[in-house]
Amino acid sequence: DVKVTQSSRYLVKRTGEKVFLECVQDMDHENMFWYRQDPGLGLRLIYFSYDVKMKEKGDIPEGYSVSREKKERFSLILESASTNQTSMYLCASSSPGTGHQPQHFGDGTRLSIL
Amino acid sequence: AQKITQTQPGMFVQEKEAVTLDCTYDTSDPSYGLFWYKQPSSGEMIFLIYQGSYDQQNATEGRYSLNFQKARKSANLVISASQLGDSAMYFCAMREGGNFNKFYFGSGTKLNVKP
Repeated sequence: DVKVTQSSRYLVKRTGEKVFLECVQDMDHENMFWYRQDPGLGLRLIYFSYDVKMKEKGDIPEGYSVSREKKERFSLILESASTNQTSMYLCASSSPGTGHQPQHFGDGTRLSIL
Repeated sequence: AQKITQTQPGMFVQEKEAVTLDCTYDTSDPSYGLFWYKQPSSGEMIFLIYQGSYDQQNATEGRYSLNFQKARKSANLVISASQLGDSAMYFCAMREGGNFNKFYFGSGTKLNVKP
């Protein structure tokens, strides 16, 4: 069965901390994504990566960076956490080029910044 | 303009009845795919069903079917014989042929199934 694993289900951090959210997929997918989910706003794309060391900004990249050193791993970094980054974060992966392939999601990380 | 619009923030349905969740989309690309996901309170996003823009028939997967009306740009999810376990958030999403890397999501519909 396909699997996207996020390192933490729940995380509590302090304002100003550097926060790392990790995501690993075992499907050999080229594409990986980080979304933020807030009530009433649906899923908003932060960054995505279409290959190792390649990344593109999504709709809300401010305050975030990403790292993809290996194909299976995509990390989201909050450079200096702020309270407005308290949210649910979802990682996803997909294969490119075939329109019928869905994105596969991890279980999500509920991040609280105090 | 919004690529995906879900106009029902919340809905109730009686157990064992059918329910339709609305989704409209906006694209000028002739090639696109439409997806529905379910998100239980535990948080994981579960892929339910897919409809391609060139598919002649409406997609079905078990109790889920997609009412695809291309001219109206709508892709409504129909859940037949609702079960208590169907209570969840439901998201409609689209992927355009011009950029398979990008998925657009709606704001979601919260479905509550009453016993």
